[in-house]
Formats: sequence, C-alpha cells, structure tokens
Amino acid sequence: KAGVTQTPRYLIKTRGQQVTLSCSPISGHRSVSWYQQTPGQGLQFLFEYFSETQRNKGNFPGRFSGRQFSNSRSEMNVSTLELGDSALYLCASSLAWTLLTGELFFGEGSRLTVL
Amino acid sequence: SQQGEEDPQALSIQEGENATMNCSYKTSINNLQWYRQNSGRGLVHLILIRSNEREKHSGRLRVTLDTSKKSSSLLITASRAADTASYFCATDANTGFQKLVFGTGTRLLVSP
Repeated sequence: KAGVTQTPRYLIKTRGQQVTLSCSPISGHRSVSWYQQTPGQGLQFLFEYFSETQRNKGNFPGRFSGRQFSNSRSEMNVSTLELGDSALYLCASSLAWTLLTGELFFGEGSRLTVL
Repeated sequence: SQQGEEDPQALSIQEGENATMNCSYKTSINNLQWYRQNSGRGLVHLILIRSNEREKHSGRLRVTLDTSKKSSSLLITASRAADTASYFCATDANTGFQKLVFGTGTRLLVSP
C-alpha cells in the first residue's frame, strides 16, 4: 500500500511569490491534515479536510489556504510568501473519522525555502 | 501554540541503554500519541494510549499515562543506533477531530 505522497519535496521561492503544495493520501483515507514545522515554533496545525470540507483550521493568516478534491487529494497554497514561511510542510492522512480511533500517517514533507 | 512540553529536550545514550522521555500537556485529552521523526523526514506513529489506559507496550516501547498529572512517558528499552531520532508526543486536545497538538520534542542520540 503506497504511503502519503507529497510533492514537491523541495522548493525555493522568493518573497512575495506564492506556492502550491500537493498531498496524495493513502488509498481509502478521507481525512487529510496539514502541519507546518519550523525550528522556532515546532509542529503547528494548519488545517484539516474531510470529504472536501475544511473541518478545522489552525491559527494561521489567510495567506494560508487549502482544499481537498473528490479523490481525497489535497493542496495547500501560501500566497505573498514571507521569509518566516520557510518550513517543512507535512501532510497527514487518516482513515478514522476522528482521532479517537486511529493515528495519522505522515508524508515526507515539502521543504519550502523563502529567499 | 504547543500543547505539550517534552523533557528532556535532548538525550544522549549508548546502545543497549534505556531511554526515557517525558511529556506534559495542558488540557484534558481523549488520547495521547507518540511519534518519531528522523532528521528532516515525516513523522512515524509509534503508539497511541487512550485516556482510560495507564500503560501500554509495543515491542521495546513502553508508554505510561497519568491523566491526573497530565503527563506521559515513553521508555525505549535496549536502545539501538537506529533509534536516533526526535520523539514527539501529541494529543487530540479533546477537539474530537483530526487535529493533533504536538509537544516540543526530545532529540535522542544513541551512540554505538
């Protein structure tokens, strides 16, 4: 069974640009969540989607957005990039409706560097 | 913001020794999970313990949970060099949905 696939793995952007990251969950998983990891703030929750609906959103500015498609694949977009957006962006998928019954399966992440 | 604080921040041991790391959290939870992250990679789920459980084992891993103290510990017995990684506790923060709140992590170095 293929794991969670994130693309691209590495990318470099300049301030003011925008970026789109993609995540393909494990087959059959309908929940996809996104996390940002930085040395200073650690792992921070961005948002979570289930059946194309955003169910939960973290404390990030509106420049961070996402969506989920009918095949459960998800994308996140960051507009007007800032230096502080440099981070490892992790996507995770889950089979369970809630965390009461299962764990998250993470992809390898997309490492974004903003110059 | 971080839900959990982990202690110690870094731990260096020799192969064969046991490694213990602790996690404290702030709010009530439904369950607590531990994850491992090799340098710059994705997180791998290790073990989940529910709020009504006190101890759980999985191979060389032993996790305890004390909800009265809002704390958990992860014990890795007979450590191997391959256990070198960062370890994070994560709680559901009683939100119900798929939002994990991660601790600050413990960096474990196991030397041959």
